[in-house]
Amino acid sequence: AAGVIQSPRHLIKEKRETATLKCYPIPRHDTVYWYQQGPGQDPQFLISFYEKMQSDKGSIPDRFSAQQFSDYHSELNMSSLELGDSALYFCASSVPRVIANTGELFFGEGSRLTVL
Amino acid sequence: SQKIEQNSEALNIQEGKTATLTCNYTNYSPAYLQWYRQDPGRGPVFLLLIRENEKEKRKERLKVTFDTTLKQSLFHITASQPADSATYLCALVSNYGQNFVFGPGTRLSVLP
Repeated sequence: AAGVIQSPRHLIKEKRETATLKCYPIPRHDTVYWYQQGPGQDPQFLISFYEKMQSDKGSIPDRFSAQQFSDYHSELNMSSLELGDSALYFCASSVPRVIANTGELFFGEGSRLTVL
Repeated sequence: SQKIEQNSEALNIQEGKTATLTCNYTNYSPAYLQWYRQDPGRGPVFLLLIRENEKEKRKERLKVTFDTTLKQSLFHITASQPADSATYLCALVSNYGQNFVFGPGTRLSVLP
């Protein structure tokens, strides 16, 4: 079965550079979530999209932005990168609530960002 | 303030025993609570969901309870195996949106 696809899997950037992470949700999933997980930390919610509109916002820095496109894939744009942005970035998707009200999140394998 | 706590950062148990993990929350009124398993460097994987009107849910060797009065969920793994070693995260939907908030996780090690 198709899973959530994230790219790139690994990314190395210098301070003050920009980075873009991509997420392709499971087909027919209409909701996408972005999480940031630092070493030894729990996943921290950044932002979510439902039907291409931002649905909720968490601890996403102003330097970051995200959007969901017409094909439901999502991109997380990070600018003016700082050392503290080094983390695993997970994307998750879920089925439309009208189909299954379980709210189960399906996570991708993550994109590991290293800022030097 | 809102908070999710899990009983301990790490739990070591002997193979064959039952592992019990705790998730406590404050200032949330979740409609349901979920448990995920996460292996190092991998994305969390959904295990079980329990709704506020359910006391207990089982799936194979896993059992979850949910006490909305105590604001607590217990996650049990019976007949534990070394392959069960992982970090287990509880998650619930925040009061003010549709995002899922995760607890800090408990790293379980099942010793052969």
